[in-house]
Amino acid sequence: ETGVTQSPTHLIKTRGQQVTLRCSSQSGHNTVSWYQQALGQGPQFIFQYYREEENGRGNFPPRFSGLQFPNYSSELNVNALELDDSALYLCASSKTGTRNIQYFGAGTRLSVL
Amino acid sequence: EDKVVQSPLSLVVHEGDTVTLNCSYEVTNFRSLLWYKQEKKAPTFLFMLTSSGIEKKSGRLSSILDKKELFSILNITATQTGDSAVYLCAVDQHSGAGSYQLTFGKGTKLSVIP
Repeated sequence: ETGVTQSPTHLIKTRGQQVTLRCSSQSGHNTVSWYQQALGQGPQFIFQYYREEENGRGNFPPRFSGLQFPNYSSELNVNALELDDSALYLCASSKTGTRNIQYFGAGTRLSVL
Repeated sequence: EDKVVQSPLSLVVHEGDTVTLNCSYEVTNFRSLLWYKQEKKAPTFLFMLTSSGIEKKSGRLSSILDKKELFSILNITATQTGDSAVYLCAVDQHSGAGSYQLTFGKGTKLSVIP
C-alpha cells in the first residue's frame, strides 16, 4: 500500500512569486486535506477536497487555492507569496467512513525570501 | 474561538520513565480526538477517541478521553529513545460543510535520554 507522497521536498521562492505543491493520496483514499505548519506550531487547516470539490476551508486568504484530480491527487497553489508563507505544508488523505483519520505525507518545506 | 491546548510544551525524561501528556480542548460540535506522533516531518496516526472513559492501548502507549471535563491524556510507559518526538493532539468537529478538519494543539516535544 502506497502512502501519501508530496513533491517537491523543499522549495525556495521570493516574495510575490507563485508556487504549486503536489500530493498523491494513499491508495483507496478519496479525501485530501492541506495544512500549514509554522515552526514550533501545530498544523493549521487550509482546506479539504472531496470528490474533486473543496468542502471545507480554514482561515486562509483566497490566494491559497487548490485542486483535486479524478485520481484523488491534489495540488495546493499559493499566489503572491509573502514572507509569512514560509512553513512546512502537509498533505493528508483519508477515506470514506473514517475521513477524520487522516494520514500525512512528509510535507514540502517552503522558504520565501 | 475553538482551541486545543497541550501541556507540557516540552519534556525531558530518562529511558524507562513513564510520561503523561495532556490535551484540553474547547470546541463546538466535538466529534473525535486524535493523537499523532511527529518525528521529523510526517505526523503518524496513533489513536482516535470518540467516547469518554474508553482507554485505547497500543503496546506501551495508551490514551483516554474525558468528554465531561474536555481533556485527553496520552501515557507512554517504559519510554525508549525511539519515543523522542513531538506528540500532537487534534480535535475533529462536525461542520456545516461536511468537512473533516482537524484543529491541532502546539504539541508536546518529548526527549528521552539514555
